[in-house]
Amino acid sequence: TQLLEQSPQFLSIQEGENLTVYCNSSSVFSSLQWYRQEPGEGPVLLVTVVTGGEVKKLKRLTFQFGDARKDSSLHITAAQPGDTGLYLCAGVSLPDYKLSFGAGTTVTVRA
Amino acid sequence: EAGVVQSPRYKIIEKKQPVAFWCNPISGHNTLYWYLQNLGQGPELLIRYENEEAVDDSQLPKDRFSAERLKGVDSTLKIQPAELGDSAVYLCASSLTPGGASGELFFGEGSRLTVL
Repeated sequence: TQLLEQSPQFLSIQEGENLTVYCNSSSVFSSLQWYRQEPGEGPVLLVTVVTGGEVKKLKRLTFQFGDARKDSSLHITAAQPGDTGLYLCAGVSLPDYKLSFGAGTTVTVRA
Repeated sequence: EAGVVQSPRYKIIEKKQPVAFWCNPISGHNTLYWYLQNLGQGPELLIRYENEEAVDDSQLPKDRFSAERLKGVDSTLKIQPAELGDSAVYLCASSLTPGGASGELFFGEGSRLTVL
């Protein structure tokens, strides 16, 4: 059973469209991380959100941490083929700093 | 600066054979993780080390899996004997601190295991 539920599992869109990926849990996290993974590679950190209600922007990517620190979302504006990959959210639980990953959302952006 | 290095990248073995994976973390990173990842799924923690100590091995199938991190640097993950269901990518990661805002994990490229 995944501690973090990601939706949708798969997302295929046309270049230029927007997309949102959701990460939900019934547990509270001290922080939440988003990673992107390309085929044959390890995940690479995109952002860490720490404060409830926090919004972080990274160029065309906007990350939001829920007020209760149980959920998060990733929004991509004007998606490009280079955004294609597996997007993973990961929550950090105290007191042992355990990092739990969601099952991931596979995003495909068609040219 | 060199990243996390794993070897081998690919390994094909027959069931019941042993296999070992090696990981060299980023220099100075005290925390080392081994994850298992199935295709299109998120990584699942097998074991986490703080220096030489295994602080979380609750998800490691100890009847066939073992790991060690001698001297708190390199680590080896072993499977003996391998089963068909062990086919997956084994990811090694390291971090400077165990968690929190600075607890970014740096992953290696993974070792893809195929058990026939």
